[in-house]
Amino acid sequence: KQEVTQIPAALSVPEGENLVLNCSFTDSAIYNLQWFRQDPGKGLTSLLLIQSSQREQTSGRLNASLDKSSGRSTLYIAASQPGDSATYLCAVRRNYGQNFVFGPGTRLSVLP
Amino acid sequence: DAGVIQSPRHEVTEMGQEVTLRCKPISGHDYLFWYRQTMMRGLELLIYFNNNVPIDDSGMPEDRFSAKMPNASFSTLKIQPSEPRDSAVYFCASTTSRAADTQYFGPGTRLTVL
Repeated sequence: KQEVTQIPAALSVPEGENLVLNCSFTDSAIYNLQWFRQDPGKGLTSLLLIQSSQREQTSGRLNASLDKSSGRSTLYIAASQPGDSATYLCAVRRNYGQNFVFGPGTRLSVLP
Repeated sequence: DAGVIQSPRHEVTEMGQEVTLRCKPISGHDYLFWYRQTMMRGLELLIYFNNNVPIDDSGMPEDRFSAKMPNASFSTLKIQPSEPRDSAVYFCASTTSRAADTQYFGPGTRLTVL
């Protein structure tokens, strides 16, 4: 059974810092991995999607990497801003079906 | 596009009552997903549909839960009878098979069962 974990559970940093969020999964037979952002009281917004054949994806100040063999992904946020404050979830899709398994999330606070 | 629309946004009911949550996916999307989010269990997939047909309902917790998609623009998730442990935020999401798995989430329905 696929299990997804994320560390740290919560993170508080001053504005301008670069930071790394970690995601681990137990079964390396994945189709892709996706990072989402969730603001309080809102749904999820997709940030980056990495196919199993890819090593990383970049969008603006965000960079996500994938090491499928070791079951790890990282989300790097450069020059953090207060507007980045949210919960970040990673999700893996198995090789069959459309089922995603989500991690518990990392709650990020960027202090001005 | 208005995005995925869910109603109601908040629902408070008493144990034993029937609850119906509604979802309108993005027009043209052929996949629809129902998720449940709690502090204890995180975000869990309950069921998903493709072209209005339920494909995988293995995440539906009990027979008290049922979901339907009578047409491409509407889906319901029903809980009958409801129990306090059903209290959670229920999300609907949709995507198209051409969208490389980018799921679009609705704002969620916060359900409280007293």
